[in-house]
Amino acid sequence: QSALTQPPSASGSPGQSVTIPCTGTSSDVGGYNYVSWYQQHPGKAPKVIIYGVTKRPSGVPDRFSGSKSGNTASLTVSGLQAEDEADYYCSSYAGSGKVVFGGGTKLTVL
Amino acid sequence: EVQLVESGGGLVKPGGSLRLSCVASGFAFNTYGMNWVRQAPGKGLEWVSSISNSGYVYYADSLRGRFSISRDNAKNSLYLQMNSLRAEDTALYYCARDSWYSQDYWGQGTLVSVSS
Repeated sequence: QSALTQPPSASGSPGQSVTIPCTGTSSDVGGYNYVSWYQQHPGKAPKVIIYGVTKRPSGVPDRFSGSKSGNTASLTVSGLQAEDEADYYCSSYAGSGKVVFGGGTKLTVL
Repeated sequence: EVQLVESGGGLVKPGGSLRLSCVASGFAFNTYGMNWVRQAPGKGLEWVSSISNSGYVYYADSLRGRFSISRDNAKNSLYLQMNSLRAEDTALYYCARDSWYSQDYWGQGTLVSVSS
């Protein structure tokens, strides 16, 4: 049950797109369509922005999108806005009722 | 409105115990699985444990039997009994509702500090 791998940081200018990868194994990301992405602003609780690899909860802007290829899932933020600056975490079901998170990516809007 | 309110955190000495609670409101608690997720100061999220609506329990391998999750559907409450606490257990502990292995609602967390 090792943590999923995310880059520690990512950045982009307002209006640009940025993609954050999340790499796991065939026992987690690659084995199930249960990848989620969370946004966390400083001092706040995490908020789910993508679940089931590609699904967006009600109220989440369609600028946020998720995808998966093999053992790597990705979060794409299009049309970057200042309020998108936050920490982003991926998670995946890992079998036997367990969940594993990624180490997190700090997204900076330049 | 879904609300999750954690309590029970505090300062405890290494080797000590704590019991965290989470009271849920705004949804049919007995129909959802629930999770505990923790975040050490300045660090990332770590899944700790989950319990299904029917009471099946699951734990992170790293806990090695020290923690125990339970629920009381009559009280809309989730619990985490933490024993043999270590410095590395110091974290903000979140209660989160489960929705197909995603955590769709989170509380604000309760802080556990393990120090002599």
